[in-house]
Amino acid sequence: DAGVIQSPRHEVTEMGQEVTLRCKPISGHDYLFWYRQTMMRGLELLIYFNNNVPIDDSGMPEDRFSAKMPNASFSTLKIQPSEPRDSAVYFCASRRSGTSGRALSYEQYFGPGTRLTVT
Amino acid sequence: DAKTTQPPSMDCAEGRAANLPCNHSTISGNEYVYWYRQIHSQGPQYIIHGLKNNETNEMASLIITEDRKSSTLILPHATLRDTAVYYCIVRVAGGGSNYKLTFGKGTLLTVNP
Repeated sequence: DAGVIQSPRHEVTEMGQEVTLRCKPISGHDYLFWYRQTMMRGLELLIYFNNNVPIDDSGMPEDRFSAKMPNASFSTLKIQPSEPRDSAVYFCASRRSGTSGRALSYEQYFGPGTRLTVT
Repeated sequence: DAKTTQPPSMDCAEGRAANLPCNHSTISGNEYVYWYRQIHSQGPQYIIHGLKNNETNEMASLIITEDRKSSTLILPHATLRDTAVYYCIVRVAGGGSNYKLTFGKGTLLTVNP
């Protein structure tokens, strides 16, 4: 299994430009999560999808941020226009819903992240 | 969600056991304790979880006190590759919004040669 794939791994852009981050979840996983990590705020959940439908976007900082999941194997997080304060590492994670048996696992599989720098 | 408290940092000698504590005094009966870790420049990685019984897997052991107000993650033979930030998370099991994970600041474990 290739794991969660994110691209690009590094992105440097100028303020005001549009940025698109991409994620391919693990095959068969029906939940997808976007997180942002900064030194100041730590690891924050931005939005998550179930079966390609956005379930909770309460963590999305503002209207400049949008996320889509057109199919089960692809999701994008877009920032337009970007600002220096958006500089962070953005992680995508996926998981498979439910398990039978003793407990539902919360095991989320994280991608390697995209380090975004907005100058 | 029950709030967790972890020491900001700990040191451990290579080959020794690393014991990472977590306080969750407001945990409720249907909340599980989960541990993740994040090695520098990588995404977080699931380690282990439990409800009230002690748990062990190939990575670590989880000891939960009888009153469930605290737990300890044990890495039996720490290696340099175990240097990472370790997050203790308490969450209700179940679907829907219960799949959200809230990460605190965690404990930076440094394994020294």
